[in-house]
Amino acid sequence: DVKVTQSSRYLVKRTGEKVFLECVQDMDHENMFWYRQDPGLGLRLIYFSYDVKMKEKGDIPEGYSVSREKKERFSLILESASTNQTSMYLCASTQTSGGYTFGSGTRLTVV
Amino acid sequence: GEDVEQSLFLSVREGDSSVINCTYTDSSSTYLYWYKQEPGAGLQLLTYIFSNMDMKQDQRLTVLLNKKDKHLSLRIADTQTGDSAIYFCAESPRSNDYKLSFGAGTTVTVRA
Repeated sequence: DVKVTQSSRYLVKRTGEKVFLECVQDMDHENMFWYRQDPGLGLRLIYFSYDVKMKEKGDIPEGYSVSREKKERFSLILESASTNQTSMYLCASTQTSGGYTFGSGTRLTVV
Repeated sequence: GEDVEQSLFLSVREGDSSVINCTYTDSSSTYLYWYKQEPGAGLQLLTYIFSNMDMKQDQRLTVLLNKKDKHLSLRIADTQTGDSAIYFCAESPRSNDYKLSFGAGTTVTVRA
């Protein structure tokens, strides 16, 4: 069963910590995405990647960075976590225009 | 997403039909999607429609596309309690771009 796996379902971190969110897909997809989901705001694109070592800013990249060293893995990094980064983070991948495959999400709380 | 709009809430009685509406802004959109998110889970692709179609049916789901009005709807026939979820509309603005723009999501509550 093909899938996108996010390493943590729930995460609690302190303000100022460096946080790594990991996402792995087993479908050999070239395109991977990180979104954050907040009530009433829907999904907002943080960063995406079309290929290994390539990255593009989405709509809300401030405070985040990403890494794509291998095709199957796309990491989201919060350099210095802040309380306004408390959110649900969703990773997705796609190969064609047939739609995304999403991970189950990581609910991050920054205290 | 600012380019895709949906109403936030819908309450429907079990057994009735649900209709979730969505408007989008990019007339060059090639594909339009409906995703379902159950509590505590990621998004699951429900169905999608190519922009040269005006209707697509898949079992209890019917998607209608009015390209002139940039209006998309999802009808769920015989709504069940398992249909309670958040439903997201999304558009793919350009044919060579895999970025999707999502609406804010419609929370559907099915009552007995």
